[in-house]
Parts: sequence; C-alpha cells; structure tokens
Amino acid sequence: GAGVSQSPSNKVTEKGKDVELRCDPISGHTALYWYRQSLGQGLEFLIYFQGNSAPDKSGLPSDRFSAERTGGSVSTLTIQRTQQEDSAVYLCASSLAGPSNQPQHFGDGTRLSIL
Amino acid sequence: AQTVTQSQPEMSVQEAETVTLSCTYDTSESDYYLFWYKQPPSRQMILVIRQEAYKQQNATENRFSVNFQKAAKSFSLKISDSQLGDAAMYFCAYNTVQGANSKLTFGKGITLSVRP
Repeated sequence: GAGVSQSPSNKVTEKGKDVELRCDPISGHTALYWYRQSLGQGLEFLIYFQGNSAPDKSGLPSDRFSAERTGGSVSTLTIQRTQQEDSAVYLCASSLAGPSNQPQHFGDGTRLSIL
Repeated sequence: AQTVTQSQPEMSVQEAETVTLSCTYDTSESDYYLFWYKQPPSRQMILVIRQEAYKQQNATENRFSVNFQKAAKSFSLKISDSQLGDAAMYFCAYNTVQGANSKLTFGKGITLSVRP
C-alpha cells in the first residue's frame, strides 16, 4: 500500500514568509508525528497527534509553529514569519495505535530553505 | 528526560565485513523501547531493528543484530556481511512505554560508508 506522503518535496522561500507543509499518513494509522532534521543533527520532535486526543505540542520551538490534523488524516505544519534557522528537513511519520513499540513509518520529508 | 548519544559521527567498513555502531542512552525508566533507523540519501527513515527493554534476548533481523546491555544503557547495532546498500545514516532512538506519548528521541546519527 501507499506509504506516508509529504508535499512539497522541496520548498524555497524568503525570510518572513509563511509556509505550509503537508503530510498524508498511511491509511488506518491514527498516530501522526512531525520531526525536524537540521543539518548534522538528529531528528527533533515537534508535535504528535493521536486520534481525537489533544496533540502533544511540547516540541514546537516557538509560537510561529503550528500544526493541525483534519478528519484524523491529513496534517499541515505551518511556519509563520519564517526565519533562516527554520531551514531544515521536516519529516512526518505515522503509526498504528497501540504500545509505543509500534514502528513509525516516515515520509521522504520536505526540505525547507529560507533565503 | 531521556537522551540518546551516538558519539561516532562517521564509520567505514569494507564490503562483506562486519561493523558495529555504538549507542548509549540515559533514562530513569525501567521499561522502554529502543530502535535503529536507517536513512539513505533518499531521506526516508527505515526501521532496521527494535528491542524491548524487558527482553533479555538480543533482537536479530537477518544481517542486523543488536547488543543490548541494559545495565550499561548501551544499544549497539552489528551489521554482518556489509553490502554497498548499507551505506546510509543510522539513527538510534528511544521510546517510552508510558501512556500515549510515544514520540521518539533520536541520537545525532552516524554516517556509515561501505568500501567496495
């Protein structure tokens, strides 16, 4: 079946602009995660959705970052007033509900470049 | 808070040889899950192997196996009979078993190159 789909694959924008990144999880996966991978760094957790529960936003670096998940499926990560330090690869993952040894399935990511 | 440390930024192995990638972690929990993920240049993270902390037996998946030392908080990945396709970044990751908060905590990764 189809894997996690992210769009766009690459995004270049000017500092100060807003950007929206999209994630389409694997069908039937109720858990959805956003991570950020900066150059030379590991993955940094941003936000986590599980079903209809309130999302875990503890990883969002500032109030310029927000995310929503409509209908328990597609998710959008929005970055307002982008800064150069926001340049990174943004990865989305999804998993089945259940204990946390469920593997997370990742998309190919969106490479965001802020000029 | 949990932390995951991968102290070797790069490693190289000859094709068909064996290589071990190191990972240590810090946690106050007694039960948790550990993972190794592979990230090739295509960027997609792929699960290689996972280990439940309550299991004493080391996990094995074909050419990949782990050496899990719970007391030492060490979780190394051994790749046997290395292949050119094994060249990638490898990330060690930790997940708590507590509640529904199942975000992964990753190390910084190690770049593995395979020499033909």
